[in-house]
Amino acid sequence: GAVVSQHPSWVICKSGTSVKIECRSLDFQATTMFWYRQFPKQSLMLMATSNEGSKATYEQGVEKDKFLINHASLTLSTLTVTSAHPEDSSFYICSVRRGHQETQYFGPGTRLLVL
Amino acid sequence: AQTVTQSQPEMSVQEAETVTLSCTYDTSESDYYLFWYKQPPSRQMILVIRQEAYKQQNATENRFSVNFQKAAKSFSLKISDSQLGDAAMYFCAYRKNRDDKIIFGKGTRLHILP
Repeated sequence: GAVVSQHPSWVICKSGTSVKIECRSLDFQATTMFWYRQFPKQSLMLMATSNEGSKATYEQGVEKDKFLINHASLTLSTLTVTSAHPEDSSFYICSVRRGHQETQYFGPGTRLLVL
Repeated sequence: AQTVTQSQPEMSVQEAETVTLSCTYDTSESDYYLFWYKQPPSRQMILVIRQEAYKQQNATENRFSVNFQKAAKSFSLKISDSQLGDAAMYFCAYRKNRDDKIIFGKGTRLHILP
């Protein structure tokens, strides 16, 4: 497997504020990281693919200006939820992939609650 | 478009017994991967087992095995000698070869009865 960390594990913020979530690949360099969101009792939905040194690729329906992704190094990707609203409350999970055909390994997730 | 269907929202099994979770998928591709992921109450997604579509042999990982029927587009997970720690949400997932996107089913919540 692979070790992936996320920080913070949970965050509560006021509506209108921005929240940054970090995803770190701890035991290998990941050229590609992925961000998912999971609503309660639902499945994971891919939001975007984060590529080191280039712009992220967003899934249809995901606002790139609202969910800012930065993949500045081979071990760190960040997701910033800008001007958060209560409907952004969700569980955000990142995953990393070692190589193109390799399995994705998931972080422990970040629970976001926007009041 | 590819889809993954898990028709059993919840299942229960007695500890030490065997249980099978169902999964079907729809794709026009011939080269792809299938996965079963486990999400316990901690919500950490854990890879249980992986199957390459080009391999006819069913994947096995200790007490976990799959029944991969490519023609029927079926990919069931069998858990033998169920343990309390197996209680979790199980997601069946699909990924086309040379593609990044993983498509998840809606999940099956598995309860283990002591």
